[in-house]
Amino acid sequence: QKEVEQDPGPLSVPEGAIVSLNCTYSNSAFQYFMWYRQYSRKGPELLMYTYSSGNKEDGRFTAQVDKSSKYISLFIRDSQPSDSATYLCAMSEEPGADDKIIFGKGTRLHILP
Amino acid sequence: ETGVTQTPRHLVMGMTNKKSLKCEQHLGHNAMYWYKQSAKKPLELMFVYSLEERVENNSVPSRFSPECPNSSHLFLHLHTLQPEDSALYLCASSQDQSPYTQYFGPGTRLTVL
Repeated sequence: QKEVEQDPGPLSVPEGAIVSLNCTYSNSAFQYFMWYRQYSRKGPELLMYTYSSGNKEDGRFTAQVDKSSKYISLFIRDSQPSDSATYLCAMSEEPGADDKIIFGKGTRLHILP
Repeated sequence: ETGVTQTPRHLVMGMTNKKSLKCEQHLGHNAMYWYKQSAKKPLELMFVYSLEERVENNSVPSRFSPECPNSSHLFLHLHTLQPEDSALYLCASSQDQSPYTQYFGPGTRLTVL
């Protein structure tokens, strides 16, 4: 079983819809969870990060972590065409020198105008 | 220039060529990274430099040779590459190896013929 599983998509939704992006993982020691957005021909940019379980909200974006199910989600409300990108989840046990960030393969999202 | 810049943006090379990728960060960070992003694969960490010392070498073949002359510059020297090395090579920087301050460059799209 891969450490981090993420559906590659593409996921196409109409403008204004709520988008749900998800990752599952197998390592119960992961505590730090991140979501990156990557536009075409650009590097990833960190969107949100959370520690342990719970929710975090930033504008139209909400990140959720369910450690009991080893499942993380990113919700995008009132989706816009500018949200069209690849979304990468990432996680680590501890941030720092001896720890690796493990990335998912990314989900391609298309918001249809 | 702001953020993290990478040159060249595109590179085509033969298997016997020697070339170098350059990365420069303008954020005052003290850690720099090389990642490889291949189609349908997760982002793979290749090398980490902290305070100009290499702290991570993720079992990368010796045909990839990193160099970090100072905290703002990072190079990846390439020689006798294989076609399977074709990928997007991303440079990133962060403060104190924290994933929450990690900024990526736009990447160099490498094609090995």
